[in-house]
Order: sequence, then C-alpha cells, then structure tokens
Amino acid sequence: DADVTQTPRNRITKTGKRIMLECSQTKGHDRMYWYRQDPGLGLRLIYYSFDVKDINKGEISDGYSVSRQAQAKFSLSLESAIPNQTALYFCATSDPTRAGSYNEQFFGPGTRLTVL
Amino acid sequence: AQSVTQLDSQVPVFEEAPVELRCNYSSSVSVYLFWYVQYPNQGLQLLLKYLSGSTLVKGINGFEAEFNKSQTSFHLRKPSVHISDTAEYFCAVSEIWGQGGKLIFGQGTELSVKP
Repeated sequence: DADVTQTPRNRITKTGKRIMLECSQTKGHDRMYWYRQDPGLGLRLIYYSFDVKDINKGEISDGYSVSRQAQAKFSLSLESAIPNQTALYFCATSDPTRAGSYNEQFFGPGTRLTVL
Repeated sequence: AQSVTQLDSQVPVFEEAPVELRCNYSSSVSVYLFWYVQYPNQGLQLLLKYLSGSTLVKGINGFEAEFNKSQTSFHLRKPSVHISDTAEYFCAVSEIWGQGGKLIFGQGTELSVKP
C-alpha cells in the first residue's frame, strides 16, 4: 500500500540539541505538510511544500526549518530544541489535482518528541 | 481566514448509545469539510468529507455528519457506538480555492466509550 512513514516514532532529547524528523511517502503526492499536535489545541501547521522548490511557512514556523530533498521526502528540523517544542508531530501529503480529493490529506503515524 | 470550533473537549458515552460530536466553523469563502479520527498511538484517518450536494454525508465505521449552512455546523453522529470507537476526533476545513489546500483543525474531541 502507498503510505506515509515517519522516523523516529519516539525521541527524547535535551534542550539545545538539534533534532531532525523525517517523513517519506510512496503516494506520489506533490504536496507535503508538517503539523504539531498539542492537547487541547488540535493540529497546527508548521510548514508545507507544494514541490521540491516550493516551501512555505505555516502558522507556527518559528524555531523550525524544513528540507524537501525529493518529491517523496520532507524533513523537519529543530535547530535548538526547547521544552515547549515537546509535542506529537505529524507529516501529511495530498494531491488536490486528483478528482474527488477535496484537498484530503493523508497522515503518517506521528513522532512523539520530548525535549527535557 | 477560517476557524473551527469543536464544542466539546471530552464526550463520555456508554456502549450502544448514540453520540453527537459538535463542530462549528467560520469562513468567508467556500470550504471543504472533514472529520478525521485518531486512534490511540496512531495517525489521523479520514472518516468522511463534504463538498456539496446532500447535507447528510456517510463515512466509515457507521459515522455520518450533517452539514448545516445557516448554522455553519458540521456535526458528527453515530446511532450506536462501540468500545472500539474510543478515539480523538477532529473536525477540519479547507478553503476550496487558494490557501494551498491547507487544513484548519478544531481542538479535537475525545470520545470515551464505556461498557
């Protein structure tokens, strides 16, 4: 099955460390997204990418950066992690050009990040 | 800009009882509407989606949602829940034209089904 995968699934790190979360997809979708989930806040968009050369900030991009290495790979980096970046991070993909997609997004299993 | 409000953060219910999870949205443009479900330790899975047409939309696992344009609501319902429906449910909207297909999510509703 075409899928969205994320690595690692769990990570504990210390304040000030650099962390990279990786996302890969086999769906062939051009659009990819990074969200963070916090209890009571739902999911909030960090960055999104329409293709390898088109990357855009979401509503909460401060403290994060991304890299779109290929159509299938989209990485999220925390240059200097801080405790309030402790959250569940999700990668998603979409193909709005597909008939009937309605902008539906397909999500990976998530990465649980703890910053001590 | 769009916004989504899920009116209940937690909904406890007994098995085989009906349930309604409430969602209101605000948008000045036409939007797609979605309900996603997140089972424990899993990613989000689409339950159902709505663009236009019949205001009652059927999804997977026996869920359905009703679109009410005048009240800008998109409430999710199931006539008889199971223990396995215990999960967090998210309502989301996406602007049809523009905004890059971004989803705006509500805060989530935790459905807890008790035996």
